[in-house]
Amino acid sequence: GDSVTQMEGPVTLSEEAFLTINCTYTATGYPSLFWYVQYPGEGLQLLLKATKADDKGSNKGFEATYRKETTSFHLEKGSVQVSDSAVYFCALSDAYSSNTGKLIFGQGTTLQVKP
Amino acid sequence: DTEVTQTPKHLVMGMTNKKSLKCEQHMGHRAMYWYKQKAKKPPELMFVYSYEKLSINESVPSRFSPECPNSSLLNLHLHALQPEDSALYLCASSQEGNSNQPQHFGDGTRLSIL
Repeated sequence: GDSVTQMEGPVTLSEEAFLTINCTYTATGYPSLFWYVQYPGEGLQLLLKATKADDKGSNKGFEATYRKETTSFHLEKGSVQVSDSAVYFCALSDAYSSNTGKLIFGQGTTLQVKP
Repeated sequence: DTEVTQTPKHLVMGMTNKKSLKCEQHMGHRAMYWYKQKAKKPPELMFVYSYEKLSINESVPSRFSPECPNSSLLNLHLHALQPEDSALYLCASSQEGNSNQPQHFGDGTRLSIL
């Protein structure tokens, strides 16, 4: 079945450092890929998305490119801030094979940014 | 600010109580979802409603009973819960149920079972 694998955390960085959180996926159809962020005490917020190969999603300085050849969707940010401290979830939706639009989540990566 | 509103934000109940969680969205979405999230884990899908009809039930115990009164509202009725049901319960919505449209989440109800 479909699955998402994220790098294990926690990831601890200093402010203004470069961020990469790795995400790879397995899917039988043509999934859409998403990054969600969850701040402490809150629900999940959609951070960015990509719907087909080579699409680049971007938002709030974060970027991720849909790489079909490596089945990856790595999250990057050039300069992190303390306010970026949160849990980041990579997810896919593969409605065309599953006919449900069900979200498959990775295990989540905790990011802590220190001043 | 989230466009999916959940109430209450916190709920403490005994194992014999009956309570309900409520979710509302005004984005015109036709699919709504309930998830359960334990600490430091990803959300687990419980139920999906598409066009006000239950389309997915992920083998959830009958002590959880969903209800979709209209396309904007989603309830989760709780009865005779167990301590292991303590978790964050998240509601989400999307434009369609069987598509790759993104889901939009509320801030959740943090449920504690005594």
